[in-house]
Amino acid sequence: EAAVTQSPRNKVTVTGGNVTLSCRQTNSHNYMYWYRQDTGHGLRLIHYSYGAGNLQIGDVPDGYKATRTTQEDFFLLLELASPSQTSLYFCASSDARGQDTQYFGPGTRLLVL
Amino acid sequence: AQSVTQPDARVTVSEGASLQLRCKYSYFGTPYLFWYVQYPRQGLQLLLKYYPGDPVVQGVNGFEAEFSKSNSSFHLRKASVHWSDWAVYFCAVSAMSNYNVLYFGSGTKLTVEP
Repeated sequence: EAAVTQSPRNKVTVTGGNVTLSCRQTNSHNYMYWYRQDTGHGLRLIHYSYGAGNLQIGDVPDGYKATRTTQEDFFLLLELASPSQTSLYFCASSDARGQDTQYFGPGTRLLVL
Repeated sequence: AQSVTQPDARVTVSEGASLQLRCKYSYFGTPYLFWYVQYPRQGLQLLLKYYPGDPVVQGVNGFEAEFSKSNSSFHLRKASVHWSDWAVYFCAVSAMSNYNVLYFGSGTKLTVEP
């Protein structure tokens, strides 16, 4: 069974704060993704990567940085957090082909005060 | 550009009744399509996926979906709903040429009444 873990599961910060969300997958997948989930919008892609050191920009990248340090680890960085970034964040991994399933982590709930 | 529309934000059905959740997609060519389910306080799990072939796809827990190119639709069905199906359901289309990126609909929240 594919495994994607995220930490922390819950995070509270203040406006202007610095936050790092972590994701690790043990599926030996090349591709990893960061999404945010907001009511009425479904999941929206922030950043994604096809391997260590690679980074691609998604549909809602403003205010976010990401870094893929290894095949297993993908980080999402909010360097100056704003209340508009309060959301539920999901990480996912998959193989390269279009029909392949994306496997999701349990999510991180972020509140920016 | 590819996109997915789920026109029903909320659907309520009685336990044991049949279910259809609607999904319309926009994609140039023949797409790969997915239905994911999100149970309360959990991540998304795959229910079923379609790639070119038989238009009716069987998934887990008695779910199935039918692909229609003429209607640009991929509706999800279940013959008899169980209380454990209470969840949010997402339809998604794959951008096959772009790192397997998925484009999600806004989701349909299913409530099951006793």
